[in-house]
Amino acid sequence: KAGVTQTPRYLIKTRGQQVTLSCSPISGHRSVSWYQQTPGQGLQFLFEYFSETQRNKGNFPGRFSGRQFSNSRSEMNVSTLELGDSALYLCATRGDSYNEQFFGPGTRLTVL
Amino acid sequence: AQSVTQPDIHITVSEGASLELRCNYSYGATPYLFWYVQSPGQGLQLLLKYFSGDTLVQGIKGFEAEFKRSQSSFNLRKPSVHWSDAAEYFCAAVSGAGSYQLTFGKGTKLSVIP
Repeated sequence: KAGVTQTPRYLIKTRGQQVTLSCSPISGHRSVSWYQQTPGQGLQFLFEYFSETQRNKGNFPGRFSGRQFSNSRSEMNVSTLELGDSALYLCATRGDSYNEQFFGPGTRLTVL
Repeated sequence: AQSVTQPDIHITVSEGASLELRCNYSYGATPYLFWYVQSPGQGLQLLLKYFSGDTLVQGIKGFEAEFKRSQSSFNLRKPSVHWSDAAEYFCAAVSGAGSYQLTFGKGTKLSVIP
C-alpha cells in the first residue's frame, strides 16, 4: 500500500505570492489533516477534511485555506505569503476506523 | 487549555545506554496518547499509541511507553539505544474518540554518542 504523498517536496516563493500544496492520502483514507511545523511554534494543526468537508480548523488566519476532492486528495492554499509562513507543511491521513494518523514527508516552503 | 509538555529539549546518550523521554499532558479527561519520531527532513513516523487498557505499551523499533494517570505522564523508553535512533521525538495527544486534532509537544532531540 502506497504511503501518503505530498507534492511538491520543496518550494521557494516570495512575499505576497500565493502557493498551493497537495496531499494524496493512503488508498481508502478519507480524512486528511494539515499541520505546520516551524522551529519556534512547533507542530500546529491547520485543518482537517473528511469526505470533502472541513471538519475542524486550527487557529490560523484566513490566508490559509484548503479543500478536498472526491478522490480524497487534498490541497491547501496560502495566499499573500509572509516570511513567517516559511515552514514544513505536513499532511496526515487516517482510515475510518480511527486508530492512528499517517504522515507524509512534508512540503518545505521557503518564503523570501 | 489542553496541552502536551516535553520538558527536555535535547538529550544526549551513549550508544547502548538506556533512554527515557518525558511527556506530560494536561487534559480534562485521559486523552489518546502517541509518540512520533522524525528524522531530519522527513515526516513523522508513529512509534506507539495508548488508547486504554494496559498502561505499558510496546511499539516499533524496540520502544515502549508507560502511561501513568496519577502523574499525567506518558514517558517513552528504550533499554539500549542505537546510533540510528538519533532523531527528534514528539509526544502528541487527541482528546478522545471523535477528535482527530493532534496536539504536539515541542519535541525532544536525541543525540547518540558512538
